[in-house]
Amino acid sequence: EVQLVEAGGGLVQPGESLRLSCLGSGFTFSAYWMTWVRQAPGKGLEWVANIKPDGSENYYVDSVKGRFRISRDNAKKSLYLQMNNVQGADTAVYYCARVSVAGLVWGQGALVTVSS
Amino acid sequence: DIQMTQSPSTLSASVGDRVTITCRASQSISHWLAWYQQKPGKVPRLLIYKASYLDNGVPSRFSGSGSETEFTLTISSLQPEDFATYYCQQYDSSSPKWTFGQGTKVEI
Repeated sequence: EVQLVEAGGGLVQPGESLRLSCLGSGFTFSAYWMTWVRQAPGKGLEWVANIKPDGSENYYVDSVKGRFRISRDNAKKSLYLQMNNVQGADTAVYYCARVSVAGLVWGQGALVTVSS
Repeated sequence: DIQMTQSPSTLSASVGDRVTITCRASQSISHWLAWYQQKPGKVPRLLIYKASYLDNGVPSRFSGSGSETEFTLTISSLQPEDFATYYCQQYDSSSPKWTFGQGTKVEI
């Protein structure tokens, strides 16, 4: 069974940093694109970032470009999202997901709250 | 970047109704479109992938169609458990900023 488990969420002050991680199991982690999607309270789903299976390419939504960095460690079957200089608008549930031709398989999500 | 536009934003319907939600892409995405259902406080659930393929375990009253820039999700006979918010997402690898539509809330 495919499983994705996020960790690292919590309360962070504006301007600070936070790193989310996502541990994959039940599939060949190194073979798949991976992605982060977020959902602010009461809002819709927003794609945040993608990374190629070998980590050689990544893409970001404009609102996080230059502040967030997606990375992966295939040996550890882990996906990461380094969030720097966080702002209130970054408050959201962050989901990691596996991407395939059959769409996304989602983790349970990690709540990030940006507040002083 | 490809923009995804869903309509309507809100849909009022009754049990047994046939419901159609539309998603338009700002440029061709071939058939690389997925539909998700989300209920409050829950993880999104995949319904349809590659525009028209039903995911495992999804009731057959759900169907998807379309290609290139225009896509539809149809619920043939709305059931009480179908009241939720529905999102489309493009996942064309040639344009790997895989944006979502803004969502359609199906309510009574």
